[in-house]
Amino acid sequence: AQSVSQHNHHVILSEAASLELGCNYSYGGTVNLFWYVQYPGQHLQLLLKYFSGDPLVKGIKGFEAEFIKSKFSFNLRKPSVQWSDTAEYFCAVSGSQGNLIFGKGTKLSVKP
Amino acid sequence: DVKVTQSSRYLVKRTGEKVFLECVQDMDHENMFWYRQDPGLGLRLIYFSYDVKMKEKGDIPEGYSVSREKKERFSLILESASTNQTSMYLCASRPLLGGGETQYFGPGTRLLVL
Repeated sequence: AQSVSQHNHHVILSEAASLELGCNYSYGGTVNLFWYVQYPGQHLQLLLKYFSGDPLVKGIKGFEAEFIKSKFSFNLRKPSVQWSDTAEYFCAVSGSQGNLIFGKGTKLSVKP
Repeated sequence: DVKVTQSSRYLVKRTGEKVFLECVQDMDHENMFWYRQDPGLGLRLIYFSYDVKMKEKGDIPEGYSVSREKKERFSLILESASTNQTSMYLCASRPLLGGGETQYFGPGTRLLVL
């Protein structure tokens, strides 16, 4: 069965620091990959997704992610975080039934 | 914009009660999903549906059932609520097309079972 691993449970950064959140998935075939974000008290919303083409994907709010097939990874990056990026971030891969298989999430706290 | 709504943001129920969580989407999506979100566990799939009157078990269906009588509405039912079903419940929908289609989530229902 497919699975998704997020390596960091809680990350604490100061404003303007760079961010990289790790995500690895288990499936070796064609994959569709997603990063979702959940701001405090808000809906889960899509940050970015990859399903073909350029492995460097750009999303909303300055986030990007790189798909590295040889490493089964889809890490999320942002060069300079802001206090408003404080949220929980979830990596996910499409399951065979059209569902999403999520990692356990990474909480990001940005200190002003 | 796609809108997924859930009937309640917060619910408090007693052990043994039958609980209905309702979800409605307005984009004519074929697929609908119910997930449960718990701290440190991420989101886990309870049930999903491809179409009206169709349902499939997800990873943690025990203690739950679902109903999909209309395309836009997908209900999650806790037949006899238990304290270990205290959680945040998220509904999502997406079109039937390929695996790259985005899932759209509702705001969630935070359920407390006493």
